Amino acid sequence: AQSVTQLGSHVSVSEGALVLLRCNYSSSVPPYLFWYVQYPNQGLQLLLKYTTGATLVKGINGFEAEFKKSETSFHLTKPSAHMSDAAEYFCAVSVGMLTFGGGTRLMVKP
Amino acid sequence: EAQVTQNPRYLITVTGKKLTVTCSQNMNHEYMSWYRQDPGLGLRQIYYSMNVEVTDKGDVPEGYKVSRKEKRNFPLILESPSPNQTSLYFCASSLDSLGNQPQHFGDGTRLSIL
Repeated sequence: AQSVTQLGSHVSVSEGALVLLRCNYSSSVPPYLFWYVQYPNQGLQLLLKYTTGATLVKGINGFEAEFKKSETSFHLTKPSAHMSDAAEYFCAVSVGMLTFGGGTRLMVKP
Repeated sequence: EAQVTQNPRYLITVTGKKLTVTCSQNMNHEYMSWYRQDPGLGLRQIYYSMNVEVTDKGDVPEGYKVSRKEKRNFPLILESPSPNQTSLYFCASSLDSLGNQPQHFGDGTRLSIL
């Protein structure tokens, strides 16, 4: 069975600062990996995904993530935070079934 | 517009009163799924369906039923709701069940069982 751990249930950054949201997974087979974002009172939207090929994946709104097999990680980054990035972010691993991490709430201070 | 539609968005009800949350998608997706979201636990899968008349249990199926009589619809049924089923529920769909396709989510249904 697969599992996902997101380090830090809450992360706070200043506007313009680097955003780093951590995700580690465990899986017995090579997984597909996803990051989703959830804005208040909305469903989840896909930010980016890794299936095969290039390990650095670019997504929407300036986010990117790097798949590191040796570290079983798929951390999400953005060079410069914007107020509109405040939301909850979920990392997910798919080996057939989709398994989510517990989520990280990102707060952006002016 | 491609979307997953859930109804109702909000519901407050009492223990034991049967309820149904509807879910409909207009993307001709084969795979549909129900999740519940609880603080600190992320989303946990309740049931999923790989195609019409094919459904299976997810991680937390107890107390729930589903059906998939048509490709576009996947209702979630709580026959005898209990307070521990108070949660935020999401329906999702994807093109297939291979796992490499992203899921499209509805806007959620917030259920309160008193």
